[in-house]
Amino acid sequence: GAVVSQHPSRVICKSGTSVKIECRSLDFQATTMFWYRQFPKQSLMLMATSNEGSKATYEQGVEKDKFLINHASLTLSTLTVTSAHPEDSSFYICSAREGGNPGYTFGSGTRLTVV
Amino acid sequence: SQKIEQNSEALNIQEGKTATLTCNYTNYSPAYLQWYRQDPGRGPVFLLLIRENEKEKRKERLKVTFDTTLKQSLFHITASQPADSATYLCALGEQAGTALIFGKGTTLSVSS
Repeated sequence: GAVVSQHPSRVICKSGTSVKIECRSLDFQATTMFWYRQFPKQSLMLMATSNEGSKATYEQGVEKDKFLINHASLTLSTLTVTSAHPEDSSFYICSAREGGNPGYTFGSGTRLTVV
Repeated sequence: SQKIEQNSEALNIQEGKTATLTCNYTNYSPAYLQWYRQDPGRGPVFLLLIRENEKEKRKERLKVTFDTTLKQSLFHITASQPADSATYLCALGEQAGTALIFGKGTTLSVSS
């Protein structure tokens, strides 16, 4: 079945530094990937839609200069949290859909802690 | 305003019973609705999809219904087992290929 690999699974960084999260579709091509953020006991909130070879589409209220998304190939999208602050601490998850599947495949998530 | 509500934050049932989870939505016109399972610290895993023109779908011990008049979906797990303990998320899709819109989830605990 379709697999989406997300790395790292956990990262702790200092306030003011940048962190890159990778999301790879291992056995299918994904022209579109989605990035979500989830706070404890909250729903997954869509941050942006990542499109291969073009600019990402960001949801209202998500700072595109802070959350840089690059989708340079059909199997890789990256999310870089720039100048991270403690309030950026959250669970970040990517997803994509293989053409023949009814559901979306999610990565295992990245727990970001900014100290 | 637009809302997706999963009415119970937590549901506790005994092994062998049927768990019924509810998802209601307001001011959306979904083309389909999906249910996912999420374990702590993990990404969601797809379980079932039901389209707007379908009333019911089944997969093994799982059943989902979709009532577009009531704007509600019910998700049933029959003969529940402790291994079914997890958070279950409902998600709406307004168009094929676009991002899903998620509810907060219901955390199910099945005791033996």
